[in-house]
Amino acid sequence: EAQVTQNPRYLITVTGKKLTVTCSQNMNHEYMSWYRQDPGLGLRQIYYSMNVEVTDKGDVPEGYKVSRKEKRNFPLILESPSPNQTSLYFCASSLVGSGNTIYFGEGSWLTVV
Amino acid sequence: RKEVEQDPGPFNVPEGATVAFNCTYSNSASQSFFWYRQDCRKEPKLLMSVYSSGNEDGRFTAQLNRASQYISLLIRDSKLSDSATYLCVVKKDLGAQKLVFGQGTRLTINP
Repeated sequence: EAQVTQNPRYLITVTGKKLTVTCSQNMNHEYMSWYRQDPGLGLRQIYYSMNVEVTDKGDVPEGYKVSRKEKRNFPLILESPSPNQTSLYFCASSLVGSGNTIYFGEGSWLTVV
Repeated sequence: RKEVEQDPGPFNVPEGATVAFNCTYSNSASQSFFWYRQDCRKEPKLLMSVYSSGNEDGRFTAQLNRASQYISLLIRDSKLSDSATYLCVVKKDLGAQKLVFGQGTRLTINP
């Protein structure tokens, strides 16, 4: 089954404690991306990657890092989480090119206290 | 001004009603347009793409007006299962995959 898998799905953590949210896709997609969703603001792109070892900032990259060492994985790293990073996070992937459907993971609820 | 703007609602309509959502976008260079559906606490899923000539998929009709930079979604004969948040999404250029999301319009269909 084609899917994008995120882990953890739910996490409560403390300010400053480094954490990683993993994302993996089994569709051999070149493109992967991370979004955060906050009330009243919609989904905003954090980082994206067009292929292995190619990453770029989205609209709200501050406080986040990513890596793309393998095609299937695109982890999101919060080196020193802060309460304003409490949000719902989605990973997404697709083939590159117009008209290709973007597939989303089920989301990761992150609370930083 | 937000790049993609939608009326957040909520819209509460009776089952069987016709409901319309509107969306405006600010970047005239935008190339592709979509409606996504998002159920509560779930991931967004593609509902339909929006084409310049307008397109229909069952009870759903999408329209694009490039001159006015305006997108619409019409749902006819609404069902209880149509209750969700509907996201207007714009892609800036054909090559890249960058999507810009509206904040979504929340719809509740009442029995």
